[in-house]
Amino acid sequence: AQKVTQAQTEISVVEKEDVTLDCVYETRDTTYYLFWYKQPPSGELVFLIRRNSFDEQNEISGRYSWNFQKSTSSFNFTITASQVVDSAVYFCALSELESNFGNEKLTFGTGTRLTIIP
Amino acid sequence: EAQVTQNPRYLITVTGKKLTVTCSQNMNHEYMSWYRQDPGLGLRQIYYSMNVEVTDKGDVPEGYKVSRKEKRNFPLILESPSPNQTSLYFCASSPRGGRGDDYEQYFGPGTRLTVT
Repeated sequence: AQKVTQAQTEISVVEKEDVTLDCVYETRDTTYYLFWYKQPPSGELVFLIRRNSFDEQNEISGRYSWNFQKSTSSFNFTITASQVVDSAVYFCALSELESNFGNEKLTFGTGTRLTIIP
Repeated sequence: EAQVTQNPRYLITVTGKKLTVTCSQNMNHEYMSWYRQDPGLGLRQIYYSMNVEVTDKGDVPEGYKVSRKEKRNFPLILESPSPNQTSLYFCASSPRGGRGDDYEQYFGPGTRLTVT
């Protein structure tokens, strides 16, 4: 069965420090998608990135970068030079294409609460 | 603007009083889904629908009902709410079968429900 583990429940760093959020997943499928979402204090889910299982290229978007490694089933997220506005709960999620018989369910991790201290 | 809307955004109710949370999307998506978010558990799928009149249970369907009479709407019904259904609820939609480079599930803003 699919599973996403975010072992870091809470992280606090001082502003301008770099921080990495870990995500480890389990799946039997060979074709799947991985996602990261941000949930600010206002509660909505903000889509950050999608990565399909055939694309192991790392991605950088401004201060954000993602490291996808199929060999370790990990999809880690790094924020460089963190800012107070980065304070939020971050969720990693997995969508399988083969096992769920058309159900495009996202399996979420339990989230990491990131606090940036000014 | 492409969006998923939910109403109400906040609701406080009492045990046993039937309620409906509406969800509507304007993107002509076939697939829609409901999730609940609880502390320490992340988001879990309640029900999903692959098209009009096609619905099925997710991981935590007990105590909920859904219907899909129109493509754009997917209401979540709590026939007899209980305190353990106090949660943050999200509706999501996506173009079923769309698995290209721009694939994404679109989430509504969330409905915070408290059952006393």
